[in-house]
Amino acid sequence: GQQVMQIPQYQHVQEGEDFTTYCNSSTTLSNIQWYKQRPGGHPVFLIQLVKSGEVKKQKRLTFQFGEAKKNSSLHITATQTTDVGTYFCAGPRGTSYGKLTFGQGTILTVHP
Amino acid sequence: ETGVTQSPTHLIKTRGQQVTLRCSSQSGHNTVSWYQQALGQGPQFIFQYYREEENGRGNFPPRFSGLQFPNYSSELNVNALELDDSALYLCASSLGDRGNYGYTFGSGTRLTVV
Repeated sequence: GQQVMQIPQYQHVQEGEDFTTYCNSSTTLSNIQWYKQRPGGHPVFLIQLVKSGEVKKQKRLTFQFGEAKKNSSLHITATQTTDVGTYFCAGPRGTSYGKLTFGQGTILTVHP
Repeated sequence: ETGVTQSPTHLIKTRGQQVTLRCSSQSGHNTVSWYQQALGQGPQFIFQYYREEENGRGNFPPRFSGLQFPNYSSELNVNALELDDSALYLCASSLGDRGNYGYTFGSGTRLTVV
């Protein structure tokens, strides 16, 4: 079945350092979504990427969708303590739009 | 606009019992999906309801069932609870069944089976 994998599993950074998490799918994706889950919280939608090679920015966050639409990345510039949490990528299950397969997430810790 | 609300927030059940979890979707959203999130894992898709009908199901046994009501709220029922059912159960609503604008998640119900 479809698998969505993320690396690294954990990332510890000093405040001000950059952070990147990578997402790889075993199948081509029609789109990919990114979510953030704060400790003890629930996933919060960040963004959806649809086009091959698409790059979107949200303030210090940069999201990329690979040319083959099988991988994606999230890069955070100059991390802040408010960036702490788990970042998940999620893609549609096969041709079932809207039914998401989540990666296992990257847990980001930011040391002040 | 109100977000997604789930009840109860926490629940402790005994193995073999049955449980019903409830979800009110965000105003204007007509699709509800349920996810199970074990500790340290990503959410796992259980099923989706669109226009009061099941519209896709993940790899969960039939003892996991659900309903969607005309006001788009939803229930998740789990029969014959097992210890491995202990997890955070998340409800997510969206406008349309394709989730093109992302999903709004509720705060979840933490189920512990003892």
